[in-house]
This record gives sequence, structure tokens and C-alpha cells, in this order.
Amino acid sequence: DADVTQTPRNRITKTGKRIMLECSQTKGHDRMYWYRQDPGLGLRLIYYSFDVKDINKGEISDGYSVSRQAQAKFSLSLESAIPNQTALYFCATRDTRESPYNEQFFGPGTRLTVL
Amino acid sequence: AQSVAQPEDQVNVAEGNPLTVKCTYSVSGNPYLFWYVQYPNRGLQFLLKYITGDNLVKGSYGFEAEFNKSQTSFHLKKPSALVSDSALYFCAVISSGSARQLTFGSGTQLTVLP
Repeated sequence: DADVTQTPRNRITKTGKRIMLECSQTKGHDRMYWYRQDPGLGLRLIYYSFDVKDINKGEISDGYSVSRQAQAKFSLSLESAIPNQTALYFCATRDTRESPYNEQFFGPGTRLTVL
Repeated sequence: AQSVAQPEDQVNVAEGNPLTVKCTYSVSGNPYLFWYVQYPNRGLQFLLKYITGDNLVKGSYGFEAEFNKSQTSFHLKKPSALVSDSALYFCAVISSGSARQLTFGSGTQLTVLP
């Protein structure tokens, strides 16, 4: 969905490096999410944000941190990357202002490889 | 806790034949169910959702899904498969009794054979 963009789309880095993945949305949605996808495991939630001042840990937050710099921007950081963080990372947004059960919209993903 | 199971990692079907991708769920409150599709090198795209009302939900690209409360299932169906339907399909659930976060199944790879 072009309304949710992620940068970079691909990144190769080395163990111990700090990495930031960025997500921007033009949909005006209140909630934003970071997931990682691994083969056979589906999508697992890393962090989510209800708004700029409300950040919450997801299922697998260890080794990650996030920042909601603005309503439209939500970045994910790996403070010291390790090889088992090699995965496909997705940002998503959701509009819950009128209904808590609206669908999520996903960005195109960032493929991260940690050597 | 809420969970979603997609019992088949892989489903193969011939073009023109009907297809079914299975999904079962477990929630503590009322379930709100979603199907997403992921094409290669793309993000997930929303297909359809069940919130309330008619148990048969129609969505994008000719797909539909049937909510069955007694069997706790939400199977995705299409009457006539296309080669272009080949993709990875994810079922997801939000429960009214949870923190209202989506929980995804592990995905089912659908291959439609010409």
C-alpha cells in the first residue's frame, strides 16, 4: 500500500551494528505497528503505538526499541544487531477512532540481513 | 489469550477448481476475523473481514469466507481458482476480550496449477 512507506527496503549489516528502520504513513491513522515475519512463523508483533505518547511492547520486543516521532512516523531500532534478527520487517497502521475492529494496512516491508 | 491456527502450510489446487484455505481460532470474547494475502516481495493486503452479521463474507478478487461459531472456523473460499491467486494467505483475529491486537496465523501457501 503506497500510503505506508518503509525505508530502506533492503539492508545488509554486521553483528553489533545499530540499525534504524523507518515507517511513514499518509493515511492519518492513529495506531502504528512493527512486525517481523519469519518463514513458518507468520507475523509476530514487536511494538505498537496508540499515539505519539503511547508505546507498547509486543510479543517479541527484546533487542528492539521504537520511537513515534509524529503521528505519521514510527521507527524501529536494533541497538546491537544479531544474526537471528535477520527477517522481513513490516510496518502497519490502523484507524481505531471510529471502530476498534478496522483492518490494518501494511507497508511493503524491509528485508534485513545481519551477518 | 487469543490464537489462530492454519492447519495447512501448503494448498495446491488446479486452475478453475474451487479452493479452500482453512483457519480456526481461539478467543476469550467475540471474535473479529480477517484474511490477508501476501504476494512475493509485497506487504500484506487486506482481503475481507467478519465483524458481525451474515456469516458469509465477500471480499476482494472473488474471495469469500464463512464464519462458523460452533466450529470456531473462518475458512477462505473461492469458487474458481486462478493462477494469479497463488500467494501466501494469513488469517488473523482480534478478540473483544483482549487488548484488541491482531494475532496472525502462520500462513498457508496457495499454489494454483495451470
